[in-house]
Amino acid sequence: QVQLVESGGGVVQPGRSLRLSCAASGFTFSSYAMHWVRQAPGKGLEWVAVISYDGKNKYYADSAKGRFTISRDNSKYTLYLQMNSLRAEDTAVYYCAKDQGFVEMETSFDYWGQGTLVTVSS
Amino acid sequence: QSVLTQPPSASGTPGQRVTISCSGSSSNIGSNTVNWYQQLPGTAPKLLIYSNNQRPSGVPDRFSGSKSGTSASLAISGLQSEDEADYYCAAWDDSLNVLVFGGGTKLTVL
Repeated sequence: QVQLVESGGGVVQPGRSLRLSCAASGFTFSSYAMHWVRQAPGKGLEWVAVISYDGKNKYYADSAKGRFTISRDNSKYTLYLQMNSLRAEDTAVYYCAKDQGFVEMETSFDYWGQGTLVTVSS
Repeated sequence: QSVLTQPPSASGTPGQRVTISCSGSSSNIGSNTVNWYQQLPGTAPKLLIYSNNQRPSGVPDRFSGSKSGTSASLAISGLQSEDEADYYCAAWDDSLNVLVFGGGTKLTVL
């Protein structure tokens, strides 16, 4: 069965960096685009970034552009989100999500991880 | 404000039919398919409807989706207490090159 397990969250000071990981299993990781989606406490869902199945194409939300970098290691079945220059408003649960489309990005997320909490606070 | 507009709340009694709207523009809903997610309290979101009106395996046929122009709707018939959750619509936006979510609708079963 498909499993996505995020890790790397925690408490970090403003301006510092953090790298999130998402370990995937149960499907051919190298054939699907992957996304990061976040949810601030008590708020709605916000899409953060997507990376194509082969890592060649990446798109970011304006809030992430220039500060966050999405990447993947298909040999390790792992998705990453490098977050730099963190701000208080980046405080959220970060979910990784599998795109439904085989090779082609369909922007529908058929599996989600359980999320990892990032708290940016001094 | 979210790019896609949803009512913040909706409610119904058991057995009733409720609909949740999602309004967008020509660059998102008007150009691309709409997906709906259900988020039960304290859990990760779950795909409920994809490609406007398709249900993933395991989703009851009480849930249905539709799209017309720059708007979409989620309908839930035979409302049950376990349907109490937050519901989000989402679509890709061709102008912004980002995926946009609605602000979410909290469904209460009275």
